[in-house]
Amino acid sequence: AQSVTQPDIHITVSEGASLELRCNYSYGATPYLFWYVQSPGQGLQLLLKYFSGDTLVQGIKGFEAEFKRSQSSFNLRKPSVHWSDAAEYFCAVGARSGGYQKVTFGIGTKLQVIP
Amino acid sequence: NAGVTQTPKFQVLKTGQSMTLQCAQDMNHEYMSWYRQDPGMGLRLIHYSVGAGITDQGEVPNGYNVSRSTTEDFPLRLLSAAPSQTSVYFCASNYRGQSYNEQFFGPGTRLTVL
Repeated sequence: AQSVTQPDIHITVSEGASLELRCNYSYGATPYLFWYVQSPGQGLQLLLKYFSGDTLVQGIKGFEAEFKRSQSSFNLRKPSVHWSDAAEYFCAVGARSGGYQKVTFGIGTKLQVIP
Repeated sequence: NAGVTQTPKFQVLKTGQSMTLQCAQDMNHEYMSWYRQDPGMGLRLIHYSVGAGITDQGEVPNGYNVSRSTTEDFPLRLLSAAPSQTSVYFCASNYRGQSYNEQFFGPGTRLTVL
């Protein structure tokens, strides 16, 4: 079974600073990897995804993530954080289970942005 | 398109009461799923459906029932609510395909069981 670890439950960064959110996964084959963002009181929105090919993937809102197979990691980055980026971020790994694509989520990292 | 809609947004129940959380999507997605979100535990899959008339259990199915009579609707039933079911519930849908297709999430239902 697949699993996801997000080691940082809460991160605080200054507006304009760079950001890196860590994610490690466990899965036997090549995984489908995702980052979702959840604003307070909202559902989840997909930021970016990795299936295969280029290990550096670009997403919405200026985010990018790099897949590193040797480290089983899929860290999310943004060069300059904006106050509107304050939210909770979830890393997830997907795998086929029969005809269904089962997604396992990490526990989330809550991002606080200070002026 | 409305996307994925969920009703109600908030609900308070007493232990032992039953209720149905509604979920509907207008994107003609084959797959639909129910998750619960608890602090420090991320999202956990309760039940899912790969098409009308076909449902299966996820990671935490106990205490919940589902059915899928149409492509659009996927209600979640709590038969006898317990305080452990206090949570935020999310419905999601996505296309079936060879590769993974993005899940679209509803806004959630915040349930409190007293």
